[in-house]
Amino acid sequence: ETGVTQTPRHLVMGMTNKKSLKCEQHLGHNAMYWYKQSAKKPLELMFVYSLEERVENNSVPSRFSPECPNSSHLFLHLHTLQPEDSALYLCASSPKTWTTGSYNEQFFGPGTRLTVL
Amino acid sequence: GESVGLHLPTLSVQEGDNSIINCAYSNSASDYFIWYKQESGKGPQFIIDIRSNMDKRQGQRVTVLLNKTVKHLSLQIAATQPGDSAVYFCAERPWAGTASKLTFGTGTRLQVTL
Repeated sequence: ETGVTQTPRHLVMGMTNKKSLKCEQHLGHNAMYWYKQSAKKPLELMFVYSLEERVENNSVPSRFSPECPNSSHLFLHLHTLQPEDSALYLCASSPKTWTTGSYNEQFFGPGTRLTVL
Repeated sequence: GESVGLHLPTLSVQEGDNSIINCAYSNSASDYFIWYKQESGKGPQFIIDIRSNMDKRQGQRVTVLLNKTVKHLSLQIAATQPGDSAVYFCAERPWAGTASKLTFGTGTRLQVTL
């Protein structure tokens, strides 16, 4: 285990539903990330939080709303998603802060497999 | 834009043989590279990294080679085992002082045959 947990592992939702993905890291890290992994595409960075402050948002649609209440927890709130949003959503954490530019290894959770009907 | 890519989408290797997974990158300013392994149903797992001031780094059964002249990165796995079957990603970090981020390749699937 990497020390990063994600719940739920699988989620099926309709386009009008509201759901949330949860990530928790037990490593004492200072930066956390949300990635989207679609078939045959590279990992896409969605959001970065460093010391609980959002420092990166890669032009993600507003139907995805992140929340980082503390350095150990990260949420991704989902609202009125589209079928093309179906993917594996991965959370990661790293020891150093984003702004130092010197973070190294990112530790990934197992992901949440999201299906939007 | 800058991109990181892999030459082979699928690599089939017999158990016990050595595996070589290749990666091409296009950003000559990248200063740090990582290889990740992703098994089915799991998130990516760090394997090994290398900085741009090095051309080779060895780990346990794995070696990463960096050729900055041709912007090429490779992962060598010695004595490949069934447990090595997974998708392997390379990632680069374009040097940008602060707020640099990783750019990932699409991945190569390694299949180990008995």
